Order: sequence, then structure tokens, then C-alpha cells
Amino acid sequence: EDKVVQSPLSLVVHEGDTVTLNCSYEVTNFRSLLWYKQEKKAPTFLFMLTSSGIEKKSGRLSSILDKKELFSILNITATQTGDSAVYLCAGKTSYDKVIFGPGTSLSVIP
Amino acid sequence: DTEVTQTPKHLVMGMTNKKSLKCEQHMGHRAMYWYKQKAKKPPELMFVYSYEKLSINESVPSRFSPECPNSSLLNLHLHALQPEDSALYLCASSQIDRVVTEAFFGQGTRLTVV
Repeated sequence: EDKVVQSPLSLVVHEGDTVTLNCSYEVTNFRSLLWYKQEKKAPTFLFMLTSSGIEKKSGRLSSILDKKELFSILNITATQTGDSAVYLCAGKTSYDKVIFGPGTSLSVIP
Repeated sequence: DTEVTQTPKHLVMGMTNKKSLKCEQHMGHRAMYWYKQKAKKPPELMFVYSYEKLSINESVPSRFSPECPNSSLLNLHLHALQPEDSALYLCASSQIDRVVTEAFFGQGTRLTVV
């Protein structure tokens, strides 16, 4: 059965801290690993990773995939209160199935 | 246009009602999805349509009936729902597998069954 696991499930940090969110996956016919940020409504897309070892970066956020270890991390540096959200990791299969992990709830306190 | 539009935004329905949720995208995506999300839980896949054909049904009860009338539209017909079906229903779309892209989400329909 396809499975995506995230850790930690929740995290509280102070503004300015750096955080690392973890995602491991067991997905048959794996095609890509997706990261989303969800605040009140729909998940908003952050990164799509298809190749091992190539870091994707957007501002203070970065992510990397290890296809051998079936693992991805999402880093956020210099956290701000606006980073408070649930961060969802998802595996996409070659049959267009997108399976989400349970999410990491991040709270950034001033 | 990178938008997935869902209507209505909110819906309250009785257990004997029949209603439909609608989803529309004009990005040329040929894979479309319905997800159900309960509070403090991740989105849970319900259905996947690929090239307007149902390709994945995650053992969803028959009181939920999806329909894909064309490549831009996806409907979810609801009948005889239960209060535990109250949730945020999210539609998403993506390029079909041969082009590896992310899935874009609509803002969701907040459904309450009374």
C-alpha cells in the first residue's frame, strides 16, 4: 500500500529559527515528490522534486530528494510568523495518483 | 490562467438532499481529482479522472458520484449523505503523467450535512 510519512507532526519554533521537515515515502510507480503549504483553505504548491540530490530553492525555503533512501526534506531558514501553516508532502505516481502524508503543523512564535 | 475554480464555496445540505459540487480548470490539464479533507487531517484522495475517464476510485461510498463531462469540468454529485461526510472537498488538476507537474488545487467547498 502506498504510504507517505512525515515528521515531526507538529513543531513550535521562535522567529528566526531554522527548521527541517522530513518526509519519507513508499509509493509504487513513483514519479515526483511534492511539497505544499496549507493555511486556511487549499494547499498551495511549494516544490516538485523528481531527481535525487538537486536542491530546489525559493527564498528562505529549500528542498531536496533522495530517491535511494526514499526521503525528502524541506528547510525553512530565518522563520517568520507567516510561515506558520501545515506543510504537506505528497508522492505522485505514474498513474496520476497524489498521496499525501499527515502533514507537519508548524507554529512560529514571535 | 493557473486557477482551479470550485463552486459553491460553502454548502449546507440535509441528509435527503441531492446536490452537486463543481470544479473547473482551463490549464489544459487532463488529470483531475477529488479529495476530502477533515479538520486537522491531510487531504484524502477520493477519485482520479485521466482523459475524462475514471481511473482511480478509492473505495468511496456510492452516495458520492463523480462525473467528468469534458476536459475542463469535474462534478461531484451528492445524495443521501451522512453528517460524518461534512468536510472540505478539494478539487485538483495536473498534467497527465507523461508531463511531470504538480497538482493545482481549488479553494474547496466546505460541506456541512445536517
